[in-house]
Amino acid sequence: AQKVTQAQTEISVVEKEDVTLDCVYETRDTTYYLFWYKQPPSGELVFLIRRNSFDEQNEISGRYSWNFQKSTSSFNFTITASQVVDSAVYFCALSLSYSGAGSYQLTFGKGTKLSVIP
Amino acid sequence: DGGITQSPKYLFRKEGQNVTLSCEQNLNHDAMYWYRQDPGQGLRLIYYSQIVNDFQKGDIAEGYSVSREKKESFPLTVTSAQKNPTAFYLCASNFVSRTNYGYTFGSGTRLTVV
Repeated sequence: AQKVTQAQTEISVVEKEDVTLDCVYETRDTTYYLFWYKQPPSGELVFLIRRNSFDEQNEISGRYSWNFQKSTSSFNFTITASQVVDSAVYFCALSLSYSGAGSYQLTFGKGTKLSVIP
Repeated sequence: DGGITQSPKYLFRKEGQNVTLSCEQNLNHDAMYWYRQDPGQGLRLIYYSQIVNDFQKGDIAEGYSVSREKKESFPLTVTSAQKNPTAFYLCASNFVSRTNYGYTFGSGTRLTVV
């Protein structure tokens, strides 16, 4: 079974501060995908990133960056120079990689509520 | 544009009633999923279906039922056996292959028991 842990329930930062959201995962499978989603107050899930377990290269996209470390089973997400519009609940999730059989549902963490204060 | 349509956006149910949440996709995705979201609980899997006429229970299937008669449709029925149905329900789909592994989510249905 897979498990995703987001230990930070709520985080508050002042606008323009950097903030890192932690994600730790558990799986016995060697190939899997990791995801981050953003959920604004309206409720829809906004896809941010997907990483394959074979690819530990860290990624930067604008103010967002992700640090994937298989050795510690972590996939942390950093927002640089936070803005009020970043206020949302952020979810880390895991699914198994395609193998021709099995199921591929997403297993989610409980989410981290980020509040950016102006 | 392709996507997932969930309806209704808000739904009110009296205790003891069954209600059905609609989920329709025009993405030609094989797999569809239903998740339930409670405050502080994240998203938990209720049911999923990987092909037409087949579906599997997720982690919290008790009190729910589904059908998958068409590839495009995966309705969720919340039965009277579900003791605490007030929650936000999200439907998702994906096309499982070696190269395409993205998930699409609907905008959700908020169910309230009155």
